[in-house]
Amino acid sequence: DAGVIQSPRHEVTEMGQEVTLRCKPISGHNSLFWYRQTMMRGLELLIYFNNNVPIDDSGMPEDRFSAKMPNASFSTLKIQPSEPRDSAVYFCASSPTANPTGEQFFGPGTRLTVL
Amino acid sequence: AQKVTQAQTEISVVEKEDVTLDCVYETRDTTYYLFWYKQPPSGELVFLIRRNSFDEQNEISGRYSWNFQKSTSSFNFTITASQVVDSAVYFCALSGSGYSTLTFGKGTMLLVSP
Repeated sequence: DAGVIQSPRHEVTEMGQEVTLRCKPISGHNSLFWYRQTMMRGLELLIYFNNNVPIDDSGMPEDRFSAKMPNASFSTLKIQPSEPRDSAVYFCASSPTANPTGEQFFGPGTRLTVL
Repeated sequence: AQKVTQAQTEISVVEKEDVTLDCVYETRDTTYYLFWYKQPPSGELVFLIRRNSFDEQNEISGRYSWNFQKSTSSFNFTITASQVVDSAVYFCALSGSGYSTLTFGKGTMLLVSP
């Protein structure tokens, strides 16, 4: 079975450019999570969707960040305009359940470098 | 607010040594769930174990074992007879009641040398 798929795996861009990260959750999972990992702050939850609806976006750093989930099999995280401090590894995870017992399955991550 | 503390930033051991990774958590929820994830050098996060707050029995899976102590709010992870392939960053995480967001600790980097 395919796991969580993220694209691109690596992205290098210049400050000010728009960046779009993509995620395909595991089929049948109804919860989707976007995380950011940096050395300084560790793993931070950015936003969480359940049944394609954003439930908690309190972790989204600022208005430059936006996330969408137009259907159950696709989500995007967009940064516009990007800044060097956005450089990080961005993980997408999905879970078959919305309740806390659910294991989260992580994608391989997108390593973003903003110059 | 929930918090997970992994006080050990980095641990180095020689192969075949036993090693324990510490995890201390804080939560106001009476029902909660604790997790350990492994992040090998390749970068992906791999689920290892989930425990709920009502089950304090220790668990063993091969060379891995977990010690959950509610009295000290700790959920420690022991690797017996460590191997080079165990080298990774290990994260402890906590999920409270309500919905399934995870609060992660900062991680412990384990380096196992041959």
